[in-house]
Amino acid sequence: EVQLLESGGGLVQPGGSLRLSCAASGFTFSSYAMSWVRQAPGKGLEWVSVISNSGGTTFYADSVKGRFTISRDNSKDTLYLQMNSLRVEDTAVYHCAKAWAVAGRLDSWGQGTLVTVSS
Amino acid sequence: SYVLTQPPSVSVAPGQTARITCGGNNIGSKSVHWYQQKPGQAPVLVVYDDGDRPSGIPERFSGSNSGSTATLTISRVEAGDEADYYCQVWDSSSDHVVFGGGTKLTVL
Repeated sequence: EVQLLESGGGLVQPGGSLRLSCAASGFTFSSYAMSWVRQAPGKGLEWVSVISNSGGTTFYADSVKGRFTISRDNSKDTLYLQMNSLRVEDTAVYHCAKAWAVAGRLDSWGQGTLVTVSS
Repeated sequence: SYVLTQPPSVSVAPGQTARITCGGNNIGSKSVHWYQQKPGQAPVLVVYDDGDRPSGIPERFSGSNSGSTATLTISRVEAGDEADYYCQVWDSSSDHVVFGGGTKLTVL
């Protein structure tokens, strides 16, 4: 059974930084692309970033490009999202998701971790 | 950037058929995926590549895609189908994942 467990969320001031982690199990992590998707309170899904299975290819939403960095450690079956220069509008639940391919469907999702950016 | 348009809400009586649309420029040329999200839960993939179902998803869920509109069809709707539904594509011109705004399905 695929399991994805996010951690690292919390309260941070505007301009601050946070690193999210997503521990994966139940599948061969190094064979799949992974994505981050966020959901602001009461709002819809917003894609954040995707990384290829090897980590060699990454793409970002325009709203986070230059501030967020996606990465992965295939030896630890873990996905990361480094978030810098955080803004109030980055407040959301952040889900990691297993992707069939960089351009493919998101076939398993974690429950998410809440990031609150507030002074 | 590529935009997907969904109706904010759809209502249907139990046992009837619900159709949720997802509009986009020439969306028929893209692969469309659909997700179901119940309150407080993570999204679940219910249809992928326009009309395929992941294992464990009831046959009541089906999809189609042509021209400028993709459609998720839920037959014999049950109270447990009440949720938010999102369509999603990959926009190759921008290398972005794109989600529709979501549709809240209400079972009357």
